[in-house]
Amino acid sequence: ELKVEQNPLFLSMQEGKNYTIYCNYSTTSDRLYWYRQDPGKSLESLFVLLSNGAVKQEGRLMASLDTKARLSTLHITAAVHDLSATYFCAVDSFYWTGGGADGLTFGKGTHLIIQP
Amino acid sequence: GAGVSQSPSNKVTEKGKDVELRCDPISGHTALYWYRQSLGQGLEFLIYFQGNSAPDKSGLPSDRFSAERTGGSVSTLTIQRTQQEDSAVYLCASSLAGTGLSQETQYFGPGTRLLVL
Repeated sequence: ELKVEQNPLFLSMQEGKNYTIYCNYSTTSDRLYWYRQDPGKSLESLFVLLSNGAVKQEGRLMASLDTKARLSTLHITAAVHDLSATYFCAVDSFYWTGGGADGLTFGKGTHLIIQP
Repeated sequence: GAGVSQSPSNKVTEKGKDVELRCDPISGHTALYWYRQSLGQGLEFLIYFQGNSAPDKSGLPSDRFSAERTGGSVSTLTIQRTQQEDSAVYLCASSLAGTGLSQETQYFGPGTRLLVL
């Protein structure tokens, strides 16, 4: 069974601080996705990481992927209140299922609160 | 352009009733996915359609759940004899292509919030 674990699950931080969210997954995959979800809203795609060593940045968010360690990180730089949301990482199950399915397996999400 | 749309946005039903949830994917997207989001289980993959091909049903939680996709576009998720544990947000997503070789992001709709009383 493919497992995706995020930590922390809950994070409260102050504006201006830096922090990292970690995403570990249990089996081979070289495609990892980060999504953002605001309360009562749907999922918004942030990053797609497609290869070992991939790094992508958008504003104050930067995501990286280490397929050998089966680890992705989402780094927040100089946090601002608008980044408060729940962040999910997800792994494509294609390799796990031998190509039989293309659904994503999600972590439980990191609920991030950034206080002014 | 228009994103993934879902209807209804909210549905309250009584235990034992059947419900139908609709998803209209982004135009041109061949792959369509259904997920369920609940407090207890988080985000779960339910079913996947690639074009007009027979769907992969591996994620459906029980035989009360079924889904179809007409003409390779609109999809309907049907839950028969609903139970209270079916209460969740049902999310639909679509992507340009759904093969294992694709690099396509899945774009999510706003979801249908289902409450079974």
